Amino acid sequence: AQSVTQPDIHITVSEGASLELRCNYSYGATPYLFWYVQSPGQGLQLLLKYFSGDTLVQGIKGFEAEFKRSQSSFNLRKPSVHWSDAAEYFCAVGLYGGATNKLIFGTGTLLAVQP
Amino acid sequence: DTGVSQNPRHKITKRGQNVTFRCDPISEHNRLYWYRQTLGQGPEFLTYFQNEAQLEKSRLLSDRFSAERPKGSFSTLEIQRTEQGDSAMYLCASSSDGSSYNSPLHFGNGTRLTVT
Repeated sequence: AQSVTQPDIHITVSEGASLELRCNYSYGATPYLFWYVQSPGQGLQLLLKYFSGDTLVQGIKGFEAEFKRSQSSFNLRKPSVHWSDAAEYFCAVGLYGGATNKLIFGTGTLLAVQP
Repeated sequence: DTGVSQNPRHKITKRGQNVTFRCDPISEHNRLYWYRQTLGQGPEFLTYFQNEAQLEKSRLLSDRFSAERPKGSFSTLEIQRTEQGDSAMYLCASSSDGSSYNSPLHFGNGTRLTVT
């Protein structure tokens, strides 16, 4: 069955430090992959997505993610974290076909940013 | 673009009562999705509509849950005989035609349901 695993429930980084959030997926074919961010009291916002092409994908807010098929991973990175990046981050895989059109989300990683 | 609007933002109800939530999508979007998010979990798909047609329902959507989108615009999600396990954030999203890869979902801020 298709699934997404985010091994880190909670991460704390210092402002200005680099960030990497891990995501592993289980999917039988080439996956459609997404990263979303959810700030407190807000809905989810799409950061970036990947299906094919260059395995390094650029997104909004200075985020990027790298698809590694051999590791079934799609890790999210940012070279220098800002205090406003504190939020919960969700990795997701898209399921499509026939009437199916849905996202399967991981359990999320809560990011705290220290001054 | 006024975004996806969900009402109410919070709902507290007693076990056994019925509740109804409303979602107003972005006006030109003809696809509308409902997801549920419990504490410590990612959002889980419940159902989605193309215009007024409900195209897919999750097994999570028990017979106590019903969703409608009568005129292809706003949608309602009703939960009958609420149980404590229904306590969650209910998220609505909308998109234009196509897969959620090609037509990204725009999420509302959610309705938080607490069943006491």
